[in-house]
Amino acid sequence: GAGVSQSPRYKVAKRGQDVALRCDPISGHVSLFWYQQALGQGPEFLTYFQNEAQLDKSGLPSDRFFAERPEGSVSTLKIQRTQQEDSAVYLCASSSRPYTGQGGYSNQPQHFGDGTRLSIL
Amino acid sequence: EDKVVQSPLSLVVHEGDTVTLNCSYEVTNFRSLLWYKQEKKAPTFLFMLTSSGIEKKSGRLSSILDKKELFSILNITATQTGDSAVYLCAVVKGGATNKLIFGTGTLLAVQP
Repeated sequence: GAGVSQSPRYKVAKRGQDVALRCDPISGHVSLFWYQQALGQGPEFLTYFQNEAQLDKSGLPSDRFFAERPEGSVSTLKIQRTQQEDSAVYLCASSSRPYTGQGGYSNQPQHFGDGTRLSIL
Repeated sequence: EDKVVQSPLSLVVHEGDTVTLNCSYEVTNFRSLLWYKQEKKAPTFLFMLTSSGIEKKSGRLSSILDKKELFSILNITATQTGDSAVYLCAVVKGGATNKLIFGTGTLLAVQP
């Protein structure tokens, strides 16, 4: 697609429910990132995929958070047994990773989706 | 601990004014610095800076990086009400991930 697409745009859930957030990256982008943005703050890194491989999940706040990208395209971020502190905007970003030869890759900017605003009641 | 600090936190100006937004960083394994503009939706990409002293320019916006002093500035000349937004500075931390470390942003309000 032309840009990164996220759904739903808004999600309201009761504390304890499970939620699933979807990200459809720019076509052909190898790298996919999830970030969490609290009100009035900058986004914070959650996890990173290169194709279908989850290479970094160091930013996931707890084992209630789980992300997958099974076919190296669409990704889903799942939050189990939601808590009020999970309320935030969840941003997905993708970037290309062009190979420049001799084992090197070019550093390309990340392009963001509009995010999913999650509210836990 | 890696950190990116932006100043000022917020700024109110009148149309036609020139503004300078600041970003300082302490990030191990620095690769590049990016500026984004965030209105109510997605952060939109403005600039990526990798080398010191080379100004990047796009219309009324320009930015420069100083890797010795570890800071960057974003200039906006002849501001317009459409420039009102949060401006985010982010540093790419090198490694297998190339994840972004963000500052808290500068909220710019341009009054007519």
